[in-house]
Amino acid sequence: GAGVSQSPSNKVTEKGKDVELRCDPISGHTALYWYRQSLGQGLEFLIYFQGNSAPDKSGLPSDRFSAERTGGSVSTLTIQRTQQEDSAVYLCASSPGTSGSSQETQYFGPGTRLLVL
Amino acid sequence: AQSVAQPEDQVNVAEGNPLTVKCTYSVSGNPYLFWYVQYPNRGLQFLLKYITGDNLVKGSYGFEAEFNKSQTSFHLKKPSALVSDSALYFCAVRDRGNYGQNFVFGPGTRLSVLP
Repeated sequence: GAGVSQSPSNKVTEKGKDVELRCDPISGHTALYWYRQSLGQGLEFLIYFQGNSAPDKSGLPSDRFSAERTGGSVSTLTIQRTQQEDSAVYLCASSPGTSGSSQETQYFGPGTRLLVL
Repeated sequence: AQSVAQPEDQVNVAEGNPLTVKCTYSVSGNPYLFWYVQYPNRGLQFLLKYITGDNLVKGSYGFEAEFNKSQTSFHLKKPSALVSDSALYFCAVRDRGNYGQNFVFGPGTRLSVLP
């Protein structure tokens, strides 16, 4: 079956523009995560969706960042009025999300490389 | 609060020698622990995980890790390193008793295996 997919793979935008990044999780996975990875750095947690529960938005760095997950499947991360410091690779991951089971493994997409000029 | 430390930014090892990449964690309850690897210009790949049971966990590509509760550690090991193991390695933790809480990743350790 298909893994996690993300689009676009690369995005170049001008400072001040809005961008939308898309994530298609593995079918049936109830948990979906967004992370940001700056060049050569670790993963910075952004937001977490689990089923129909309210998302954990504690990692979003500012109110310019938002995300939604429609129908419990596809997710879109939106960055408004982009800044140069937003340049990074944005990674999406999904997991089966079943509590207390061994199915906690996250499966990562290839990422979207965002460059803000 | 959960946290993960990877005390070494960089680990260098000669091909054929054993390798260790260190990870220590902090959670309020019992942990789920994970190792992921990121090869150049590629996404993160799952290596292995500790959920429960045997403290020694074996994973992909000949890697293994040992859960040590008293030392709150989950070091990644391989008996004989390959040049192809050169990559960025991330340790991650999740509090087992706090379903709904997200994963926390360490800062990563860059492993270089020298021929």
